[in-house]
Amino acid sequence: KQEVTQIPAALSVPEGENLVLNCSFTDSAIYNLQWFRQDPGKGLTSLLLIQSSQREQTSGRLNASLDKSSGRSTLYIAASQPGDSATYLCAVRQETSGSRLTFGEGTQLTVNP
Amino acid sequence: NAGVMQNPRHLVRRRGQEARLRCSPMKGHSHVYWYRQLPEEGLKFMVYLQKENIIDESGMPKERFSAEFPKEGPSILRIQQVVRGDSAAYFCASSPAGTGYHEQYFGPGTRLTVT
Repeated sequence: KQEVTQIPAALSVPEGENLVLNCSFTDSAIYNLQWFRQDPGKGLTSLLLIQSSQREQTSGRLNASLDKSSGRSTLYIAASQPGDSATYLCAVRQETSGSRLTFGEGTQLTVNP
Repeated sequence: NAGVMQNPRHLVRRRGQEARLRCSPMKGHSHVYWYRQLPEEGLKFMVYLQKENIIDESGMPKERFSAEFPKEGPSILRIQQVVRGDSAAYFCASSPAGTGYHEQYFGPGTRLTVT
């Protein structure tokens, strides 16, 4: 059974700092990994999708890497801003489970002005 | 191209009533997924449907919950005789195909409160 773990559970940083969020998964047979952002009481916004054959994806100040063999992904946020404050979720789509996504519990990020 | 639409956004039901949650996938998408987010917990898969077919319902509770995706109209998640433990955010996602490489696009969710 696939398990996805995100560390840390919560993170508070001053504005401008670069930061790294971690995601690990137990079964490396995945199609892809997705990073999402969720604001309180809101839906999910897809940030980056990394296919299993890729090593990283970049969008603006965000960079996500994937090491499939070791079951790890990181989301790097450069020059953090207060508007980045949200919960960040990673989810994997596993080869053996059909089409479902398996989510981690999330990292709650607070960027202080 | 409108995104995934869910309604209602907020739903309040008394214990024992029925709840119907609707999801309209993105245009051109024929695959729909439902996920549930219980308070202080992560999102959990419930069911995966194509038009007129349930493909995977392994995440659905065995009783009171059902889902459909008819040939015409939105996908419906139905919860009969709701209990307080059903209070959660229910998210729908859609994709153009069921193969693993396609991205799932999420709707804004329906927040169900059972009083």
